[in-house]
Amino acid sequence: DVKVTQSSRYLVKRTGEKVFLECVQDMDHENMFWYRQDPGLGLRLIYFSYDVKMKEKGDIPEGYSVSREKKERFSLILESASTNQTSMYLCASAGASSYEQYFGPGTRLTVT
Amino acid sequence: DAKTTQPNSMESNEEEPVHLPCNHSTISGTDYIHWYRQLPSQGPEYVIHGLTSNVNNRMASLAIAEDRKSSTLILHRATLRDAAVYYCILRVLVGSGGGADGLTFGKGTHLIIQP
Repeated sequence: DVKVTQSSRYLVKRTGEKVFLECVQDMDHENMFWYRQDPGLGLRLIYFSYDVKMKEKGDIPEGYSVSREKKERFSLILESASTNQTSMYLCASAGASSYEQYFGPGTRLTVT
Repeated sequence: DAKTTQPNSMESNEEEPVHLPCNHSTISGTDYIHWYRQLPSQGPEYVIHGLTSNVNNRMASLAIAEDRKSSTLILHRATLRDAAVYYCILRVLVGSGGGADGLTFGKGTHLIIQP
């Protein structure tokens, strides 16, 4: 069974803290994605990566960075968390020419 | 980008068929129609996709209008586990960078299943 796992389901951080969200996939997929999902705004792409050490900005990259040192792992970093980054964060992966993205369960981050 | 329009919510009874409509009047010839769903407290999951012909898989069927300006996702026998938000989206052809394209979901249709 294919699997995308995220390091935490729920996370509470303080404003100004550095936050790491980890995502691991076991399908040997080339492509990995970070999204955030907010009520009324739908799903929005933050960053994606199509290979190890490669990254591309999505629609809303400001305030975020990413790291992909290994094929199976894609990390989202909030350098200095702010309250407007309170959201549901979803990681996904997909094969090189796959039409289907596989999502993790999500991390609900609250920044106070 | 071509947009899709879906009803905000629909209600159906358990063990009955459900038809979820999607309008995409500005669809281009290279757009595939994809459906994802998101169960409560879970990440989205792929349901089905198609280009022109109707498609069937173990989860659902996809009926595509002849002019491709609309489509319908069909759940043949809804169960309580099908209660979710269903998203209809358009994506470029696979092989044209399709694997590395991010998804953009709108509000989707909130499907309520009554026991």
